[in-house]
Amino acid sequence: EDQVTQSPEALRLQEGESSSLNCSYTVSGLRGLFWYRQDPGKGPEFLFTLYSAGEEKEKERLKATLTKKESFLHITAPKPEDSATYLCAVQLLTGFQKLVFGTGTRLLVSP
Amino acid sequence: DTGVSQNPRHKITKRGQNVTFRCDPISEHNRLYWYRQTLGQGPEFLTYFQNEAQLEKSRLLSDRFSAERPKGSFSTLEIQRTEQGDSAMYLCASSPQGDTQYFGPGTRLTVL
Repeated sequence: EDQVTQSPEALRLQEGESSSLNCSYTVSGLRGLFWYRQDPGKGPEFLFTLYSAGEEKEKERLKATLTKKESFLHITAPKPEDSATYLCAVQLLTGFQKLVFGTGTRLLVSP
Repeated sequence: DTGVSQNPRHKITKRGQNVTFRCDPISEHNRLYWYRQTLGQGPEFLTYFQNEAQLEKSRLLSDRFSAERPKGSFSTLEIQRTEQGDSAMYLCASSPQGDTQYFGPGTRLTVL
């Protein structure tokens, strides 16, 4: 069964305190791995797509990396506005490219 | 173009009533997806359209659920005889050629 697991479930950081979020996956065939940010009561906002092991993408204070079994979202010197739930999703080679999501990591950055 | 839009944003209904949600995708995106998200969980896939054709349905989509996408433009999701377990956020996403999916703001359904 295709499965995505995110850890930790929740993370509290002080402003400027860097950390990483983990997304591990077990899938029959990976087409791509996606990271989204979701604010309370809103839809997920696209951040990154990664397609192959070793690939890295960056955007402002965020950097996403991918290996054959997991992905990391590194947050460097976070600010309070980075507080949100970060969702990881895998897109499968089979089927019609639906996304299979993890349960997310709730990040709170305190000033 | 301002992205995927969904209406209504909130819907409160009584158990047993029918409800219908609408999704307007980003123009020229031929692929449209519906997901459902409950509190503390990630979105779960419900169904997928390529243009007007509904090509995949999740086992989560019981007979009370039906979705359409007439003329390959907007889509509707109808839930008949709502149950309290249907309370969730219903999300719509669209994509161009099967790549990145862009999500709308969602419709929050509360069944009393």
